[in-house]
Amino acid sequence: KQEVTQIPAALSVPEGENLVLNCSFTDSAIYNLQWFRQDPGKGLTSLLLIQSSQREQTSGRLNASLDKSSGRSTLYIAASQPGDSATYLCAARGGSARQLTFGSGTQLTVLP
Amino acid sequence: AAGVIQSPRHLIKEKRETATLKCYPIPRHDTVYWYQQGPGQDPQFLISFYEKMQSDKGSIPDRFSAQQFSDYHSELNMSSLELGDSALYFCASSRPVRSYEQYFGPGTRLTVT
Repeated sequence: KQEVTQIPAALSVPEGENLVLNCSFTDSAIYNLQWFRQDPGKGLTSLLLIQSSQREQTSGRLNASLDKSSGRSTLYIAASQPGDSATYLCAARGGSARQLTFGSGTQLTVLP
Repeated sequence: AAGVIQSPRHLIKEKRETATLKCYPIPRHDTVYWYQQGPGQDPQFLISFYEKMQSDKGSIPDRFSAQQFSDYHSELNMSSLELGDSALYFCASSRPVRSYEQYFGPGTRLTVT
């Protein structure tokens, strides 16, 4: 059974800093991995999707990497802004199962 | 661009009542997924449908049932509601292509009193 872990659970940084969020998964036979953003009490906004054959994906100030062999993914946020404050969730889709298995998220606070 | 639509957005029910949540996937998406996110929890997969047939089943209680209709919309029926069923319920849909990216709806917040 796939298990997804995110470290740290919470992170507080000053505005302008570059930061890295970590995600690890136990079953490397994943099909893809998605990173989401969730504001308090709100829905899930998809940020990036990385297919198992890819090493990284970029969107604006966000860059996500995937290393299947080590069971790790990272989300790099450049030049952080207070508006980036939210919970960031990673979710892995297994090779045979269609559903996503979510990590518990990293709650990011960017201080002005 | 069209997104996943969920209704209602908020629902308040009493214990032992029933609730029906609806999900309208993005056009031409044939797969629908239901997830439950309790307070302070990560989303947990409940059930999914592909081409109107149940495809995978997660931690869905026996009190819950779901189906996908001919127009691909889906309904999650919840009976004998318990306080612990209070959560945010997400529906997601995906296209019949290899990427299988899931697009999430805004969620239905169910409060059981």
